[in-house]
Amino acid sequence: GQQLNQSPQSMFIQEGEDVSMNCTSSSIFNTWLWYKQDPGEGPVLLIALYKAGELTSNGRLTAQFGITRKDSFLNISASIPSDVGIYFCAGHTYGQNFVFGPGTRLSVLP
Amino acid sequence: ETGVTQTPRHLVMGMTNKKSLKCEQHLGHNAMYWYKQSAKKPLELMFVYNFKEQTENNSVPSRFSPECPNSSHLFLHLHTLQPEDSALYLCASSQALGGSGYEQYFGPGTRLTVT
Repeated sequence: GQQLNQSPQSMFIQEGEDVSMNCTSSSIFNTWLWYKQDPGEGPVLLIALYKAGELTSNGRLTAQFGITRKDSFLNISASIPSDVGIYFCAGHTYGQNFVFGPGTRLSVLP
Repeated sequence: ETGVTQTPRHLVMGMTNKKSLKCEQHLGHNAMYWYKQSAKKPLELMFVYNFKEQTENNSVPSRFSPECPNSSHLFLHLHTLQPEDSALYLCASSQALGGSGYEQYFGPGTRLTVT
């Protein structure tokens, strides 16, 4: 079945730094989604991407739908302590179920 | 608040108990999902319902029994569970399957502990 890879698996950054993470797939997708999950809570949708090459922002977050349709990127600018959590990517193709990545765990050092 | 609610938020049950998890979505969606999330593992899709019809059973043991009485409600009936079934159970919803441009929204989850 389809699988997603996320990189890095975990990262420790200083408050105020910018963060970059990516998600890759062996298959193409029509939709890419990015979620953040806090401990003990459900994933919360951050950004949805629908078109190859699309660049979408949500506050300090910016995500891009890769032009090959096999990858997506998420950037967080000027990180703050509440950015701590696990970031998941998910891909969707016509008529298929959503496929989720294993997550990138972000820790922010004060 | 994502528009998807789950109850209870926490559940502790013995292996011989029978309990049910409830999910309700207020988004007008027609597809609903159950996922299992164990520590340090990716999300595992369990069941999918589309317009109240089950479209996916991802080789889930029969001790988990889903029920979808309408497009807004989804249940997961539990009986004779095992300790390895302890996990966070997440419900999600999206517009109907088969199309594109869909977003999936999750509930807060039920933290299940089987003793």
